[in-house]
Amino acid sequence: GAVVSQHPSRVICKSGTSVKIECRSLDFQATTMFWYRQFPKQSLMLMATSNEGSKATYEQGVEKDKFLINHASLTLSTLTVTSAHPEDSSFYICSARVWTGNYGYTFGSGTRLTVV
Amino acid sequence: GENVEQHPSTLSVQEGDSAVIKCTYSDSASNYFPWYKQELGKRPQLIIDIRSNVGEKKDQRIAVTLNKTAKHFSLHITETQPEDSAVYFCAATMTNNAGNMLTFGGGTRLMVKP
Repeated sequence: GAVVSQHPSRVICKSGTSVKIECRSLDFQATTMFWYRQFPKQSLMLMATSNEGSKATYEQGVEKDKFLINHASLTLSTLTVTSAHPEDSSFYICSARVWTGNYGYTFGSGTRLTVV
Repeated sequence: GENVEQHPSTLSVQEGDSAVIKCTYSDSASNYFPWYKQELGKRPQLIIDIRSNVGEKKDQRIAVTLNKTAKHFSLHITETQPEDSAVYFCAATMTNNAGNMLTFGGGTRLMVKP
């Protein structure tokens, strides 16, 4: 249980275009979804926290107009990278807190974005 | 906010030896400390976790210890095998609020030499 489905797993896009990444909670309701970015050989860094029905909270240094987050339902959160540039190439992964007898966290499978 | 430091950044051991990775955290209110194994291009995989009401937890070859006073926790892998080679991350958070995210350490690249 407590599965988050993330799509796409890989995407290659041209500079200047936009890419949407989806995370769906399959068997639980996620009022909050965390979006992380991981550059090669680095740790997972929180970009933003999305909250169902309200505006996302962005970490310092993350441009909210570039990384659009929508969390319109309890089972779907999306991250749109707008006007992508090569420096946006990274591994993007979502996460949600879940209850499985105790609180823990589950992760999507990640999206490898390459901007050419 | 929470800050998690992890050491060492790389660790090379001989197969069969033990490996120890250490983390410190800054927020004394944190109560949940998971450890993840991540292989290239994959999601972090939970291997063990510990909550603040216990000091030690073991699962076969893997153990975690927590010292709340010193605010540090450690991962111990015994009888290492080549398939243990991966990047390991520690993390910390308070689980009492849905808005509390995991804060990750910088990661340790473990290499187990046959």
